[in-house]
Amino acid sequence: AQKVTQAQTEISVVEKEDVTLDCVYETRDTTYYLFWYKQPPSGELVFLIRRNSFDEQNEISGRYSWNFQKSTSSFNFTITASQVVDSAVYFCALTGAQKLVFGQGTRLTINP
Amino acid sequence: DAGVIQSPRHEVTEMGQEVTLRCKLISGHNSLFWYRQTMMRGLELLIYFNNNVPIDDSGMPEDRFSAKMPNASFSTLKIQPSEPRDSAVYFCASSFRAEGNTIYFGEGSWLTVV
Repeated sequence: AQKVTQAQTEISVVEKEDVTLDCVYETRDTTYYLFWYKQPPSGELVFLIRRNSFDEQNEISGRYSWNFQKSTSSFNFTITASQVVDSAVYFCALTGAQKLVFGQGTRLTINP
Repeated sequence: DAGVIQSPRHEVTEMGQEVTLRCKLISGHNSLFWYRQTMMRGLELLIYFNNNVPIDDSGMPEDRFSAKMPNASFSTLKIQPSEPRDSAVYFCASSFRAEGNTIYFGEGSWLTVV
């Protein structure tokens, strides 16, 4: 069975701090995809990134970066120089045979 | 390009009434998902379709819930009769397999059953 664990339920930091959201997954599939989604207070689910299981290169997009390590089954998300607008719930997700399984989410609050 | 479109965005109904949620897929997508989000259970997959065919409905909570895809671009999720515990945000999402399974979500339908 597939499983995604986001151990951090809530994180609160002060603006401009760096923050890392942890994600650990379990799957028996050899080919799979990992995702991060953002859910701002308005409620929609916004796709941030997809990573396939054969690509372990880290990725950086502006202030966002992702660290994928198959050896530890982790796909962590770092926000550098956080801003108040980054406040949201962030979900890590996993799919093998097209059934997307979500973690419980991490509620991130950036305080001014 | 238009994203996944859901309606209604908000609905308040009385217990026992029938509720129908609607979803229009992104043009060209061939997989359709219905998710439910609650505080207690998080995001749960209810059912998904590939090419209009239901593939996995193991997440549908009970017989009161039913989902259909009458055509390749449209789906409905029906609850009959509705109960207060059905109150949740219902998300529809779609994807195209060739794109590596990226799933795009609608804005959700906020259902309150009183």
